[in-house]
Amino acid sequence: DAGITQSPRYKITETGRQVTLMCHQTWSHSYMFWYRQDLGHGLRLIYYSAAADITDKGEVPDGYVVSRSKTENFPLTLESATRSQTSVYFCASSGAGVRNEQYFGPGTRLTVT
Amino acid sequence: QKEVEQNSGPLSVPEGAIASLNCTYSDRVSQSFFWYRQYSGKSPELIMSIYSNGDKEDGRFTAQLNKASQYVSLLIRDSQPSDSATYLCAVGGFQKLVFGTGTRLLVSP
Repeated sequence: DAGITQSPRYKITETGRQVTLMCHQTWSHSYMFWYRQDLGHGLRLIYYSAAADITDKGEVPDGYVVSRSKTENFPLTLESATRSQTSVYFCASSGAGVRNEQYFGPGTRLTVT
Repeated sequence: QKEVEQNSGPLSVPEGAIASLNCTYSDRVSQSFFWYRQYSGKSPELIMSIYSNGDKEDGRFTAQLNKASQYVSLLIRDSQPSDSATYLCAVGGFQKLVFGTGTRLLVSP
C-alpha cells in the first residue's frame, strides 16, 4: 500500500541500549522528517532530510542519529537511550517546494526504562 | 525562536455549533499554514492548508489567514462529536514546519 509506515509501533528498551526506529514512504517525497511529541511540548523536530545522503538537525537533535541512503527510508537511531527519550516518535514526508504539506506516519511509542 | 501559539483548551461546543480555533505565529516571513487534526493515540492528519490572505473553504472547514496580524484560524461549521480531537496549527517557511501545542476541541451531543 502507498503511504508512510513506521516500525515498530511500540518499543520498550532499557537505558543505554541502542534502538532504531524505521520509516518508509512510497510517495517518492524528497523531504522526510522525524518529530517527537511530548505532553506540553507538542511536536518537535529532531532531524530532517532533503534527499538521500542530505540530513540536517532540527530543534532537538541531541542523542539521535539519522541516515538516508535511499529516498524512501529514513531511520532514526538512539545510540544510547535515556529515560528522557521516552516519547511518541512520528515520521513525516513532503514534496519539495513552498507548498510543503507534510504527511505523517502512524508513530512509534517508545518507552525507555 | 520561531513560535506558534494556540490556546490549549479544551474548547467545548454543542453539536451543530461553529467551533473557532485560533493560532498566532511569530515569524513574519512564514509562507505556509496548516491545520492538522489529531485524535487521541493517533498521528496528525492534515485537514487544511492555506498560503495567502483570506478565507479557504473545504466542506465544513474554513481556514482564515491574516498575515498582517500573524493570525490563522480554523472554523468548523455544524460541529459533530466526531470532530472532538486536538487541532494543531503548523506554520512553515522553507520546508520546515513549526507546530503549536494544539487546541483540544470537545463537541457534546
